[in-house]
Amino acid sequence: DQQVKQNSPSLSVQEGRISILNCDYTNSMFDYFLWYKKYPAEGPTFLISISSIKDKNEDGRFTVFLNKSAKHLSLHIVPSQPGDSAVYFCAASGNTGGFKTIFGAGTRLFVKA
Amino acid sequence: DTAVSQTPKYLVTQMGNDKSIKCEQNLGHDTMYWYKQDSKKFLKIMFSYNNKELIINETVPNRFSPKSPDKAHLNLHINSLELGDSAVYFCASSPGQTYGYTFGSGTRLTVV
Repeated sequence: DQQVKQNSPSLSVQEGRISILNCDYTNSMFDYFLWYKKYPAEGPTFLISISSIKDKNEDGRFTVFLNKSAKHLSLHIVPSQPGDSAVYFCAASGNTGGFKTIFGAGTRLFVKA
Repeated sequence: DTAVSQTPKYLVTQMGNDKSIKCEQNLGHDTMYWYKQDSKKFLKIMFSYNNKELIINETVPNRFSPKSPDKAHLNLHINSLELGDSAVYFCASSPGQTYGYTFGSGTRLTVV
């Protein structure tokens, strides 16, 4: 039962353009959402988060948007850089019977120079 | 100076063996976790400890036993290893349950 879904396994974007990574969730008890970035042979690195009381959070080139009614969030990277090429994991947490952070399957982003 | 360090990075072992993976964090975080990344690349929570106390224990075979001697360490011991245990195991820590995690670089376990 996938409570956090990233339906695009991969995304390819030209350098300088916007990258938009999408994530859907099913459990309405989730109230905190995070994005992680992962390079090969390394652990995931925390990128940005958003609480359910907000609909947008921005940090430099990275912005996360949350649409609670649609149970959807997205990560925008502007402008995209070749160094952004990595796997991006969406994650959600909340008091769903113990606080757990549930991860999506990841989206591999390729930024072409 | 590595914030969350796991050892070993690679582990190849035969079925039926018992092995341990060690994890240490120097961030002063209260909460530590073990996640398993399977062949489909999903990251699944296995265990979570808060100040040495077990707070999350997912549906994991009891061949897996976590041990937290202090809040900076969370080790994972696996008995009677099976082929299906082959995966990458990640340790992580956080200041609390609603904060981003700091992950270790992972331990790739291969059971042959």
